[in-house]
Parts: sequence; structure tokens; C-alpha cells
Amino acid sequence: GENVEQHPSTLSVQEGDSAVIKCTYSDSASNYFPWYKQELGKRPQLIIDIRSNVGEKKDQRIAVTLNKTAKHFSLHITETQPEDSAVYFCAADGSGNTGKLIFGQGTTLQVKP
Amino acid sequence: GAGVSQSPSNKVTEKGKDVELRCDPISGHTALYWYRQSLGQGLEFLIYFQGNSAPDKSGLPSDRFSAERTGGSVSTLTIQRTQQEDSAVYLCASSLRHKNIQYFGAGTRLSVL
Repeated sequence: GENVEQHPSTLSVQEGDSAVIKCTYSDSASNYFPWYKQELGKRPQLIIDIRSNVGEKKDQRIAVTLNKTAKHFSLHITETQPEDSAVYFCAADGSGNTGKLIFGQGTTLQVKP
Repeated sequence: GAGVSQSPSNKVTEKGKDVELRCDPISGHTALYWYRQSLGQGLEFLIYFQGNSAPDKSGLPSDRFSAERTGGSVSTLTIQRTQQEDSAVYLCASSLRHKNIQYFGAGTRLSVL
């Protein structure tokens, strides 16, 4: 069935360092890959997304790379700040024509000041 | 509206009772999704509505779960004869059309005692 695997489950970095979170997906028909940030007790918020017609996308300190052949995509955060601490979820659009998202299990990122 | 609105924010119920959770999507958004987030887990797709089309119910975990969307706007998720394993945060998301960016509500935290 449809599946998205996300690693690592927890990540601790020093402020200013980079953080990388990796995801793999099973459905080769997936074309849309968003990343959501969820702070404790808050709603998930989209931070960046990528579609299958590009290999990389950047937005200030955040970048996402996509390898469709290998069916994996990664989130890169540079110059991390304490306010980047949160749970990050990757997702891939599922089968059918609905746009439903299949989510990874989440990565808890802690940025130490 | 300003964003996706969900009510109630918290719901405590006794095992065996029925509950109704409400979602008010962003005005003009035709696609609406329900997801479930269990403690420390990723988001699990439940059901999808798009305009007047038949909903995609493929994610509903049992026949105790049902949802409707009246007038193409507000949606209600109903759980009958609640069980303890139904305890989770139920999140609603809407998007302008299917396969567009999904915006999430703050969720309803359901606790079944």
C-alpha cells in the first residue's frame, strides 16, 4: 500500500548548524511533496513543497530536494534557530485523483541555543 | 474566512457514546479533507470531499465513522459508539481545488474515557 517513511524520528542540533530530514515514498505515481511544521499544540503549517517536475526548491533557509528515480526527498534547514524547534512532517500525494496526502511519522527537531 | 475552523477544540466522551466534530473550511475552497493524528504519530487520511462529487471514504477505519458535507461548505465527522482507540486529534484541511495546497484547522482533541 501507500507508504511514506521518514527519518530520523528525532534530531538535535546546535543553533547555527544545518538539519536534514529524509523521506522515502512507495507510490511512483506521487507528484506532490509538501513539508509541514507543527509546533506543540498547534496546527500543521506548510513550510515548503515541491512537485515532480523539479529537483530542488529553496526558500530562504529552507530547501527541499527530490529524487524521483530513487523515490526519496529531503528537507534541508540551514543556520538553524531555536524557533525552528518543532515536529516536521513530510508527505506525498496518494493514489487516485483526490490529492489526499500520505504523511511520514514526523521528526522532532530540537535546536539548542 | 480567516482560516479553517474546527469545533469543539476539545471533546471528552464516554466509551460507547456518539460524537460529532465540525469543520468550517476556508471560504471558496472546494476540497475538504479529514485526517486523524494519534499521539506521537503522523497524520492518517480519513475522507475527502470535492464539490458535489462522491467522497473518497477509503481512509475511514470502520463503519462507525461517517462524514458529510452540506452545501459544499461545512463538514461534520461523526463517530458512533466511540472506543478508547478513537482517542486522537482530528484535523480538517481544505484546499482551493483538489491537489492544491492544504490548509489545516487547529483540530479537535477527542478523548474517550
